[in-house]
Amino acid sequence: SQQGEEDPQALSIQEGENATMNCSYKTSINNLQWYRQNSGRGLVHLILIRSNEREKHSGRLRVTLDTSKKSSSLLITASRAADTASYFCAPSQGGSEKLVFGKGTKLTVNP
Amino acid sequence: DGGITQSPKYLFRKEGQNVTLSCEQNLNHDAMYWYRQDPGQGLRLIYYSQIVNDFQKGDIAEGYSVSREKKESFPLTVTSAQKNPTAFYLCASSIPGHTNYGYTFGSGTRLTVV
Repeated sequence: SQQGEEDPQALSIQEGENATMNCSYKTSINNLQWYRQNSGRGLVHLILIRSNEREKHSGRLRVTLDTSKKSSSLLITASRAADTASYFCAPSQGGSEKLVFGKGTKLTVNP
Repeated sequence: DGGITQSPKYLFRKEGQNVTLSCEQNLNHDAMYWYRQDPGQGLRLIYYSQIVNDFQKGDIAEGYSVSREKKESFPLTVTSAQKNPTAFYLCASSIPGHTNYGYTFGSGTRLTVV
């Protein structure tokens, strides 16, 4: 199992702006997953991108994956106050591997 | 609706006391996990179970114990040997080897030592 490193650690933007957060990892992966955690709650699975995919969309979320750079980014477009949360990436080699979660990016969207 | 239920939401433990955190899922997932989260930190894996009657230690298993007698249930006991148990505990489940879906998490139990 390997841990992703999210960057930046904290991000503060205004409602309506786009938010971009990044994830780097060290070894080859089968897929990479992004999760959201609202304050005091459990994590919620947002999106999974496979190693053979370069970009994936889900509503206002856009995830990219660059396996040559071992990095991924999560873009939230037209952010809302309700997007305020911590976001975690989890690189996975698939199979029965356990996921490891880093410290995440804490996003604050100001109304 | 299918999901994971953790109880209680808040738990207070006295020094030297064992407490058990409940985790129940009705997703028919084979694998279940316990994580610990400290303020401003990531999640650290305590124990995990890929199948009924089998479980393995994670990175910080000392002072904790688990059982997996039923597919639906994976209770975590925080023993008196755990010297700093105040934290937020999260339970999760998944389908091992199935890479279309990620983990499903419960809403957590906040444990405080009093």
